[in-house]
Formats: sequence, structure tokens, C-alpha cells
Amino acid sequence: QVQLQESGPGLVKPSQTLSLTCTVSGGSLSSGDYYWTWIRQPPGKGLEWIGYIYYSGSTYYNPSLKSRVAISLDTSKNQFSLKLSSVTAADTAVYYCARDWAAGGTPKFDPWGQGTLVTVSS
Amino acid sequence: QSALTQPASVSGSPGQSITISCTGTSSDVGGYNYVSWYQQHPGKAPKLMIYEVSNRPSGVPDRFSGSKSGNTASLTISGLQAEDEADYYCSSYTGSWVFGGGTKLTVL
Repeated sequence: QVQLQESGPGLVKPSQTLSLTCTVSGGSLSSGDYYWTWIRQPPGKGLEWIGYIYYSGSTYYNPSLKSRVAISLDTSKNQFSLKLSSVTAADTAVYYCARDWAAGGTPKFDPWGQGTLVTVSS
Repeated sequence: QSALTQPASVSGSPGQSITISCTGTSSDVGGYNYVSWYQQHPGKAPKLMIYEVSNRPSGVPDRFSGSKSGNTASLTISGLQAEDEADYYCSSYTGSWVFGGGTKLTVL
């Protein structure tokens, strides 16, 4: 059973770079059937898709965040990571990693990590 | 892409049925059969309930069903139970993803 777990700093200063890692257990990042995805949820608000990375290293980002986002892959550690630069208070959110089955033709997010709250504040 | 439109809240009594709508455009909901629904309890991660408009993952009760007509998808929960009280989000895949704003379900 695949499980995902986010990790990283819970507090980031404005204008700095937010960095998070998602560790995948029970499955391999090298499968061609999945996109490995980041999604965020500001406190009390809805979900926002950030982007994904494929096992080949190709990426696709939400156009609204594209200029500030980078997602990378470390298959040796079975991890993928998110970097979001020039953060502001508007980037305060719970950040989730999830497995997207769209690469295999069945778009859906399952499973999700438990989420990690990142607060942007000085 | 603009967010999909969901009602902010719906409510129902135990045993009743409710339906949550999710309205998009012909470029997302109406153009693809790639609508999925997620249940989120407070402080928890979202959980997949329906994918590809009407498919239910194993383990999801058959009280949950999905459908689509034109640019509007719907999630129906029949035989409401107390544990169904949660936020529900729809999403649509078109090569990228867009979510609805979420609907708070209250079980009276």
C-alpha cells in the first residue's frame, strides 16, 4: 500500500524559498503510470493544484504559480520535492503531496499525504 | 482556468439523500469524463470518493454516486449518515487540474 509523507520547515520568512519533500513508501516513483503532485490549501479555503513531476523528470505547473515553482525528483531516495520562491503571506497553506493516476489514463488523486502546514511570516 | 462552482453548503437529515453540484464549462467538466470528488474531514487530508464522473474506489460505500449532465457534475449521497458530515471538493482534469471551491455538508 503506497503511502506519502510530507516534510519540511513549518515557518518560512517572506521573500524566501519554501522547500518541502514528499517521501513515498510502498511503491516506486519510477512507475510510468503516475504523476507525482503537489496541492495546497490555505487555511479555511479550497484546494489548489500546484503541479506535478513524471518519473522521466518532466514537469507541468499551474500557470498561476509557474514562475515561482520547481518540482524535482530523487528516485534513489524515492522522494520528490517542491520549491516555491519569493513567498508571501498568501502562500501560507497546508501543502499536500499526492499520487495522480492521469499518466496511466485514469485521472484521480490517490493516495494523499497527511499534509504539512507552512506559515509565511517574519 | 477558473475554479469550478460548488454550493458553499448543503444539509440533510440522517437517512435522507443530498446532491452537490459542480459546474464548469465545456472546456473542463463538459468536455471530459474526468471529474473526481474528494471528502475532507476537519484537519484531515482529502479522500478520493468518485473518479471519472461515476466510478467508486474500493472501500467507498455505494451510498456515494456521481453523474454528469452537460457542464455540471453531481455527487449524490443517499442514506445520509453522521460520518458523512465533511467538506466535499470536485475536480476536473484537462491535462491540468482545477478544483471546485468546496461544499460543506452538514448532517442535521
